[in-house]
Amino acid sequence: GNSVTQMEGPVTLSEEAFLTINCTYTATGYPSLFWYVQYPGEGLQLLLKATKADDKGSNKGFEATYRKETTSFHLEKGSVQVSDSAVYFCALSSARQLTFGSGTQLTVLP
Amino acid sequence: DTAVSQTPKYLVTQMGNDKSIKCEQNLGHDTMYWYKQDSKKFLKIMFSYNNKELIINETVPNRFSPKSPDKAHLNLHINSLELGDSAVYFCASSQDLGNSPLHFGNGTRLTVT
Repeated sequence: GNSVTQMEGPVTLSEEAFLTINCTYTATGYPSLFWYVQYPGEGLQLLLKATKADDKGSNKGFEATYRKETTSFHLEKGSVQVSDSAVYFCALSSARQLTFGSGTQLTVLP
Repeated sequence: DTAVSQTPKYLVTQMGNDKSIKCEQNLGHDTMYWYKQDSKKFLKIMFSYNNKELIINETVPNRFSPKSPDKAHLNLHINSLELGDSAVYFCASSQDLGNSPLHFGNGTRLTVT
């Protein structure tokens, strides 16, 4: 079956630090890959997505590249802000099934 | 103009009671979902409906019953509430059952005492 593994949190960074949250997956077929973000007290929001190998999704300074050879979709941001503090979920969609990772809590300190 | 709205936002009730959570989407999507998020933020799919038809019914107690009167609404009724039902319940919708991204409501925090 499909599965998503993302790095365990919590992750605590200082403002303007570089962020990487690792995500690897196993899937049958050719999945689409997503990163969702959940701010405190809110539902998940789509942050970015990639639908095929070597695609790069980007939004709000975040980026992730669909790497088929390493089955990875790591989330990166060059300079985080306090407002980026949230829980980040990696997810894949394949064969009409959506599978979420366990979420990574990010806290950015001023 | 909220895309996916669910009510109530908070629900505090006693064990054994029956309660409902309502969800509506105005995006014209065909597919709607219910997810349960536990205290560690782990998300678990409970149900999905496509055009009012039940598609996914994960292993949840049959005390949980979804109802979809039309494709814009998916309500969740819970009978005989238990302490372990305490969680945040999220409604979501997507354009279809393929690779379309999900749009989530802001959640209903259910506390069973």
